[in-house]
Amino acid sequence: KNEVEQSPQNLTAQEGEFITINCSYSVGISALHWLQQHPGGGIVSLFMLSSGKKKHGRLIATINIQEKHSSLHITASHPRDSAVYICAVRAQKLVFGQGTRLTINP
Amino acid sequence: EAGVAQSPRYKIIEKRQSVAFWCNPISGHATLYWYQQILGQGPKLLIQFQNNGVVDDSQLPKDRFSAERLKGVDSTLKIQPAKLEDSAVYLCASRRGNSYNEQFFGPGTRLTVL
Repeated sequence: KNEVEQSPQNLTAQEGEFITINCSYSVGISALHWLQQHPGGGIVSLFMLSSGKKKHGRLIATINIQEKHSSLHITASHPRDSAVYICAVRAQKLVFGQGTRLTINP
Repeated sequence: EAGVAQSPRYKIIEKRQSVAFWCNPISGHATLYWYQQILGQGPKLLIQFQNNGVVDDSQLPKDRFSAERLKGVDSTLKIQPAKLEDSAVYLCASRRGNSYNEQFFGPGTRLTVL
C-alpha cells in the first residue's frame, strides 16, 4: 500500500463544475503539498500546508491532521485547470501520490 | 527570483547510449533533488544533495546513474548506458536549508529511450 493515496486517479468534468481531489496518507508529516503538473512536465507548487485551510483564487486546500487527509477544491473550473494534480507529504523526505489527471471540457 | 532551470527540455536517445541532464537551482538554495517520474506515476526521488554532499541516494540505480554537484550550485545527472525503462521525466528541485521551506521544481527533462 502506498504511503500517499490520491483519489480519483482520473476526473473529467464540465467547465464550471466544483472539483474535489482527495489525498490520504499513512505517515507522520510536517507538511503537505499540492502540486500541479502540466503536459510539458514542469511542476508548480500550489499550496504547502500543515493545518487548516488555504485559499488562492479559485483553489482551496484543506488538511485534517488527525484523519491524515487533505482535499484540493477547484471552484468554477475552467479548461485551463486541466492538468495532473499531485499530493506530496513531507515525512523524512517528500513522498508523492500517483497524481490525479483532471480534464475540464468546455 | 529566477526559478529552477533545467536543460535540455527534451532528449531522445537509443538504448545503450549515454545522456546527461543539467540543473541550476534557485540562488541560495542549499538542497537540490533529482526525481524520476515515469508516465502515470508520481515522482520518485533519485538523489538529494545538501550543498555538494549527498544526503540520500538510496533509490539511485548506481550501476548506470550518477550525479554530482561539485561546487554546491548546479548539478548534472548522467545515465550510462540508458535502458528503455529509463524513459521518464527527470525533475530537478531545490529548497532552502531546512525542511520547513517549500520545494521548487524545474520544468523537467523528458527522456525517451528507443
